[in-house]
Amino acid sequence: EVQLEEFGGGLVEPGRSLRLSCTASGFTFGDYAVSWFRQAPGKGLEWVGLIRSRIFGGAPEYAASVKGRFTVSRDDSRGLAHLEINSLKSDDTAVYYCSRGQTVTGAKYFSDYWGQGALVTVSS
Amino acid sequence: DIQMTQSPSSLSAFVGDRVTVTCRASQTISTWLAWYQQKPGKAPKLLIYRASSLESGVPSRFSGSGSGTEFTLNINNLQPDDFGTYYCQHYNSFPMSLGQGTRLEI
Repeated sequence: EVQLEEFGGGLVEPGRSLRLSCTASGFTFGDYAVSWFRQAPGKGLEWVGLIRSRIFGGAPEYAASVKGRFTVSRDDSRGLAHLEINSLKSDDTAVYYCSRGQTVTGAKYFSDYWGQGALVTVSS
Repeated sequence: DIQMTQSPSSLSAFVGDRVTVTCRASQTISTWLAWYQQKPGKAPKLLIYRASSLESGVPSRFSGSGSGTEFTLNINNLQPDDFGTYYCQHYNSFPMSLGQGTRLEI
């Protein structure tokens, strides 16, 4: 059974940094991209970033709204993906989801399995 | 960047009804479109990919169609469990983006 789980969320002060992690099971982690989304309280889903599998170069992609502050990475040896957020702002308060990025071409990705999400609250 | 616009933003329907949700892209995206269902407090669930391909395990009363800039999600024979918010997402290019969501009340 394919499963993903996020961890590392919590209450963080504005201006600080936070690293979320995503662990996966039930499939060969290194063969798939990992896509990250967030959902602010009462709002819709927002895609924030993706990291390709090593097969397709392992390169990251970011939404314009987070580029420069968010960094996606992966450690295939440990089956982990990470989302690092710097200079946290109150607007970053959200549930953050990791998902498995499914692709055939290596250029087009949709998310077929999702974690349950990790809440990040930015407040002093 | 490509913007996705869904309509309606919310709707109410009865068990057994047929429901249609529309998604428009600001530029052509071929058929690189996915639909997700999200229930309160839960992670999204993939329903449709490549505009019309039904994800494994999703009931056949869900269907998707469209190409270019206009897409629809149809739900036939609406069931009580179909409540939630539905999102379209394009994956034609980066940055990817989602519609604002359509809240369905049964």
